[in-house]
Amino acid sequence: EAQVTQNPRYLITVTGKKLTVTCSQNMNHEYMSWYRQDPGLGLRQIYYSMNVEVTDKGDVPEGYKVSRKEKRNFPLILESPSPNQTSLYFCASSGGRAGNTIYFGEGSWLTVV
Amino acid sequence: QKEVEQDPGPLSVPEGAIVSLNCTYSNSAFQYFMWYRQYSRKGPELLMYTYSSGNKEDGRFTAQVDKSSKYISLFIRDSQPSDSATYLCAMQSQGAQKLVFGQGTRLTINP
Repeated sequence: EAQVTQNPRYLITVTGKKLTVTCSQNMNHEYMSWYRQDPGLGLRQIYYSMNVEVTDKGDVPEGYKVSRKEKRNFPLILESPSPNQTSLYFCASSGGRAGNTIYFGEGSWLTVV
Repeated sequence: QKEVEQDPGPLSVPEGAIVSLNCTYSNSAFQYFMWYRQYSRKGPELLMYTYSSGNKEDGRFTAQVDKSSKYISLFIRDSQPSDSATYLCAMQSQGAQKLVFGQGTRLTINP
């Protein structure tokens, strides 16, 4: 079954405590990305990766880091989380060409207090 | 001005009604048009996909794209309570991977 798996699904953390949200896909997709979803703002892209070791900023990259050391994994790193990073985060993957179906994970609810 | 505009609703209709959801956009480079359905506490899932202008039908769902007006629509016929979800339009340019989303419309179908 085609899957994009994110962990953790729910997390409450404190300001400044580094955290990593993992993302893994089993479809051998080249393209992976991270989005955040906020009320009234919809889904906004944070970072994306076209392939292993190739990453680039999306629309709202401030405060986030990513890495792509393996094709299947694309972790999102918050080095020093702040309350404005409280959001619902989605990892997504696709085959790498415009028009390819983009598959989303189930989401990670992050609260920074 | 946002690249993609979508009325967030909420929209509430009785079971069996025809539902019309719409998005407008400003970027004429968009070539791929999608509708995603998102149930509460779940990730978006692709519902309909259209390339360039025209109509596409899949069961009770019809997607329309009017590039001249920069306007896309999703119609749901014989709506069911199981159709209650947030519907997001999304668009993509030729050669680009990035999806640009509308805000999403929250739809409730009342039995």
